[in-house]
Amino acid sequence: GAGVSQSPSNKVTEKGKDVELRCDPISGHTALYWYRQRLGQGLEFLIYFQGNSAPDKSGLPSDRFSAERTGESVSTLTIQRTQQEDSAVYLCASSLVGVRGYTFGSGTRLTVV
Amino acid sequence: SQELEQSPQSLIVQEGKNLTINCTSSKTLYGLYWYKQKYGEGLIFLMMLQKGGEEKSHEKITAKLDEKKQQSSLHITASQPSHAGIYLCGADDTDKLIFGTGTRLQVFP
Repeated sequence: GAGVSQSPSNKVTEKGKDVELRCDPISGHTALYWYRQRLGQGLEFLIYFQGNSAPDKSGLPSDRFSAERTGESVSTLTIQRTQQEDSAVYLCASSLVGVRGYTFGSGTRLTVV
Repeated sequence: SQELEQSPQSLIVQEGKNLTINCTSSKTLYGLYWYKQKYGEGLIFLMMLQKGGEEKSHEKITAKLDEKKQQSSLHITASQPSHAGIYLCGADDTDKLIFGTGTRLQVFP
């Protein structure tokens, strides 16, 4: 596609439920990143996929968070047993190679009530 | 791990005024990126700096990287309402970008 697409754009869920967030990267981009942005704060790195290499999961805050990516296509970020502190905007970015040419999606705003 | 600190956290200026946003790194910067974010939208790339002492300009925005490569500044000349948003600096940290805390800019007429 022309840009990085994220869905849904907004998600309200009850505490304790599981949620799945989706990211469609730009076609041909081998690198895909997930970030979390809490209200009024900067971006917090979560996870990074590069081609078929093992993902860099060093930013995942707990074992309730996981992400998958099949090849160089769509990625899903799953949050299990959501908590109120998970409320944030989740941003996805993709790039052809490495950090240059990052293109961000518009994000998914997650609200846990 | 590398950390980026931005100042100020928030800035309110009158249209036409100049302003500066700072980004300080805990380690030497090997690539410093400036992004702008509008509410409800993703981040838009502004500029990238790599060399100590480097300076780049685009329209009314100028970004500089100090000689020691640990601090960068973003300067906006004659601010306009269209400049309003959140400005974030990012640093290259092992094939991923880490970001500063952000500066929220408001410009009033």
